Amino acid sequence: NAGVTQTPKFRILKIGQSMTLQCTQDMNHNYMYWYRQDPGMGLKLIYYSVGAGITDKGEVPNGYNVSRSTTEDFPLRLELAAPSQTSVYFCASSYLQNRGETQYFGPGTRLLVL
Amino acid sequence: AQSVTQPDIHITVSEGASLELRCNYSYGATPYLFWYVQSPGQGLQLLLKYFSGDTLVQGIKGFEAEFKRSQSSFNLRKPSVHWSDAAEYFCAVTLTGGGNKLTFGTGTQLKVEL
Repeated sequence: NAGVTQTPKFRILKIGQSMTLQCTQDMNHNYMYWYRQDPGMGLKLIYYSVGAGITDKGEVPNGYNVSRSTTEDFPLRLELAAPSQTSVYFCASSYLQNRGETQYFGPGTRLLVL
Repeated sequence: AQSVTQPDIHITVSEGASLELRCNYSYGATPYLFWYVQSPGQGLQLLLKYFSGDTLVQGIKGFEAEFKRSQSSFNLRKPSVHWSDAAEYFCAVTLTGGGNKLTFGTGTQLKVEL
């Protein structure tokens, strides 16, 4: 199994540009998450989804949008890129949403906004 | 506010030496605690987790962690470090009522000297 895959691996954006970070999992997990990791900081939750068609905000949702049209895919959209969105973005998934359920992480997308 | 603290930003140990990475939490109720490892260019991988029961938990790659309620700590240990253990280590919790949303510490970067 590929697990959780993310594309692209690295991207440079200009301020004001938009882009979509792709995330796909092949484990038939219902629950998916987007985190961002800033230098010297832990990961912070941006958005999460409990199933196709259902999404909710995490701790730092401003400047981002998500959609979940299928179980497998959970893209993250940046509409107007800002330097503050320079970060490493991780997608994760879990089978259940119970506390303690293992989350499986993708390799990350490194984004630089200039 | 609930929080997870990893007091050591960087730690350097010699190969074969023992390792202890510290994690403290500030949380009123019983936490669910996790340790994740992030190797360079990789996503996060779960090392171990604690919910209840035996306070010493065993994980993958020879790691273990001990939950000490009196000290609000969940320190990660390994008796003999290998060069391949060089990575960043994150402590995390899930909170009551928060489903499976992880709150991460800021991470500890481990360097292994040969």
